[in-house]
Amino acid sequence: QKEVEQDPGPLSVPEGAIVSLNCTYSNSAFQYFMWYRQYSRKGPELLMYTYSSGNKEDGRFTAQVDKSSKYISLFIRDSQPSDSATYLCAMMNTGFQKLVFGTGTRLLVSP
Amino acid sequence: DTGVSQNPRHKITKRGQNVTFRCDPISEHNRLYWYRQTLGQGPEFLTYFQNEAQLEKSRLLSDRFSAERPKGSFSTLEIQRTEQGDSAMYLCASSLLQREQYFGPGTRLTVT
Repeated sequence: QKEVEQDPGPLSVPEGAIVSLNCTYSNSAFQYFMWYRQYSRKGPELLMYTYSSGNKEDGRFTAQVDKSSKYISLFIRDSQPSDSATYLCAMMNTGFQKLVFGTGTRLLVSP
Repeated sequence: DTGVSQNPRHKITKRGQNVTFRCDPISEHNRLYWYRQTLGQGPEFLTYFQNEAQLEKSRLLSDRFSAERPKGSFSTLEIQRTEQGDSAMYLCASSLLQREQYFGPGTRLTVT
């Protein structure tokens, strides 16, 4: 079983929809939770990160962490065709250096 | 652009050849990471440097792989005697704070 599970999609939505992307994890020692966006044949781009449980908002993006359920989410409001990409969740233990990634969810936003 | 840069962007090599990739981190970042990403998967950690010291290595980093960061600035990743299973995107990231890792565009390796 992988430490981080993520549905690979693709997830297809119309422009303007609210998108919900999710990951589950098994390692209760994870303290930092990140979301990266990756366009085809490009490197991952850090969108936002959250420490421990709670919510964090940045523009159209909201990240949520529920440590009791080992479940994290990224919500995208008013989705745009330019949001079409693969979204990767990643996690990290305090004191360790490596990010542990999910497989990524491919998002397609149609005009 | 002051982001992480990687060269070459794409490398095609024959099985058994050696290849070397270069990563130039963001200038003030003292931490540097190498990851490998295969199609349909998330990146997997390979190794980590703080300044010039290599502090962590994954079991994925076999004896054929070696990484250096000689003066605490750029880093190189060398793969000796390449195998077809080495075909992947090799990603470099750098950070000042461990939780904010910024990735480069990657080097795509194809072993024929």
